[in-house]
Amino acid sequence: DVKVTQSSRYLVKRTGEKVFLECVQDMDHENMFWYRQDPGLGLRLIYFSYDVKMKEKGDIPEGYSVSREKKERFSLILESASTNQTSMYLCASSLLTARGTGELFFGEGSRLTVL
Amino acid sequence: AQSVTQLDSQVPVFEEAPVELRCNYSSSVSVYLFWYVQYPNQGLQLLLKYLSGSTLVESINGFEAEFNKSQTSFHLRKPSVHISDTAEYFCAVSSVSGGSNYKLTFGKGTLLTVNP
Repeated sequence: DVKVTQSSRYLVKRTGEKVFLECVQDMDHENMFWYRQDPGLGLRLIYFSYDVKMKEKGDIPEGYSVSREKKERFSLILESASTNQTSMYLCASSLLTARGTGELFFGEGSRLTVL
Repeated sequence: AQSVTQLDSQVPVFEEAPVELRCNYSSSVSVYLFWYVQYPNQGLQLLLKYLSGSTLVESINGFEAEFNKSQTSFHLRKPSVHISDTAEYFCAVSSVSGGSNYKLTFGKGTLLTVNP
């Protein structure tokens, strides 16, 4: 069974802390994505990566950075967490553009609360 | 650019009633269309998709959606809902051509609540 695994389902952090959200996929997908989900706003793309060490900004990259050192792993980093980053974070992966349809495979989500 | 509009943010229904969740999209090129479902405190799961061929597509749990190119719609229907169908449903679109189909564009979601 194909899988996208997010390391933490629930996190509570304090303002100013550095936060790492980890995501691993076992489908050998080239593309990986980080979204945040907030009530009434739907899913908003933070960053995506189409290859190792490659990344592109999504719609709301401010306050976030990412790292992709290996094909299967994509990390989201909050350098200095703020209360407005309290949200549900979703990782997803998909096949390379030329071979795929854009269909995304999602992890279970990481609910982050920043106090 | 492409966009997706889900016309209803919330749809309450009674168990065993029929339901339709509406989705309209805009795109200047041909599209692939998807419906995802999200149960409480979980990630999104693919419910069904339209890639090509028959415009009516079905899921294993009784949902169906019809691609209507002239009306640029992809509405989701179920003739009789269960309590367990309570979830948020997201419509999404990607473009067929060129190098941009890596990126799905999502609607804002429709919360389906099935009451006993």
